[in-house]
Amino acid sequence: DAGVTQSPTHLIKTRGQQVTLRCSPKSGHDTVSWYQQALGQGPQFIFQYYEEEERQRGNFPDRFSGHQFPNYSSELNVNALLLGDSALYLCASSIGLAGQETQYFGPGTRLLVL
Amino acid sequence: GEDVEQSLFLSVREGDSSVINCTYTDSSSTYLYWYKQEPGAGLQLLTYIFSNMDMKQDQRLTVLLNKKDKHLSLRIADTQTGDSAIYFCAEYRLHNRLAFGKGNQVVVIP
Repeated sequence: DAGVTQSPTHLIKTRGQQVTLRCSPKSGHDTVSWYQQALGQGPQFIFQYYEEEERQRGNFPDRFSGHQFPNYSSELNVNALLLGDSALYLCASSIGLAGQETQYFGPGTRLLVL
Repeated sequence: GEDVEQSLFLSVREGDSSVINCTYTDSSSTYLYWYKQEPGAGLQLLTYIFSNMDMKQDQRLTVLLNKKDKHLSLRIADTQTGDSAIYFCAEYRLHNRLAFGKGNQVVVIP
């Protein structure tokens, strides 16, 4: 039973570019949440997808967008990259919108913006 | 993190107990969690406690919750070198959104 998987593991981009990060949820999970973890900080909630719709969003600009596919996998897109977008991006999956103890995290994608 | 506070660093000798503390502000949180993050890795769920409990024990881990003071602690008994990591407390927000503290780095000295 595969856990949450993310790709790529590492990525280097330059300012102004666009990036797409991918996440496959744990088997049986249908909800995907994305978090940004800057160096030395705790993860910050970006947004959450359920039934292919964005259900809630944290305090992130519109440059951050996402998508969920019918197979529950998800993408995070960031446009017009800034140096401050350098971080570890974590994906978490769960069941429905009330699976309190069943949220599992992937290994993350480490993004470096130069 | 969003209104979740943690101290930053703890060093402990192998075999001793370690205690990590956390304070939170959302009194309506139903679940509180402890996650472990090893270098270069994602987050591993260690344990969680429901808000109507005061204590939860899970092998070497003991979680204490003081709702009056909004204080959460994690005690690791017989700390091992493999326990060296950053530990995050997190509180459950509406619809499975988690709010994390900044983390507490634990270094275990052999």
